[in-house]
Amino acid sequence: ETGVTQSPTHLIKTRGQQVTLRCSSQSGHNTVSWYQQALGQGPQFIFQYYREEENGRGNFPPRFSGLQFPNYSSELNVNALELDDSALYLCASSQQGVNYGYTFGSGTRLTVV
Amino acid sequence: GQSLEQPSEVTAVEGAIVQINCTYQTSGFYGLSWYQQHDGGAPTFLSYNALDGLEETGRFSSFLSRSDSYGYLLLQELQMKDSASYFCAAPPYGGATNKLIFGTGTLLAVQP
Repeated sequence: ETGVTQSPTHLIKTRGQQVTLRCSSQSGHNTVSWYQQALGQGPQFIFQYYREEENGRGNFPPRFSGLQFPNYSSELNVNALELDDSALYLCASSQQGVNYGYTFGSGTRLTVV
Repeated sequence: GQSLEQPSEVTAVEGAIVQINCTYQTSGFYGLSWYQQHDGGAPTFLSYNALDGLEETGRFSSFLSRSDSYGYLLLQELQMKDSASYFCAAPPYGGATNKLIFGTGTLLAVQP
């Protein structure tokens, strides 16, 4: 059983640029959620994808968007990067309707300069 | 609003028992989970309380009281490797299923 893999592990971007982060879900899971974790804080829900559609969104602007593919892997895209977007971006896979036991990836550390 | 509050830091010695509390204000949720995170790595699922009461998983136990809006994680026989951040998390009623609201996090330092 494979876990959740995220790429890249680290990334440095300039303010105003665009970035794409990738996540492969755990085998047997059909739902992918993305979280943003600022230093010293708990993860904040960005959005979730199920059946290749966005299935709920947190308090994040539209420049945060995503995709889910038929193999359940997912991408997070952020346009017009701002300094405050610097954070650890975590991907979690789960089975739709199960409210616990999510499997997280190790995250992508994004630094915006 | 929906928020889960935890103490920011807890310190304990190897072999001891430590309790990490989580108090919450939400309109309702399905249950309370606990996750461990080492040095900003992947959060790892530890325990889940769907109902009030105590759940035991090896050295870790978790408790939930909905009437008191309170839960805790109990770590026994502390080991150095338990030094990490611990988060309570709850999936709220309504909105996206499989969404988690995370607590503020508790940094546990285990000393020899």
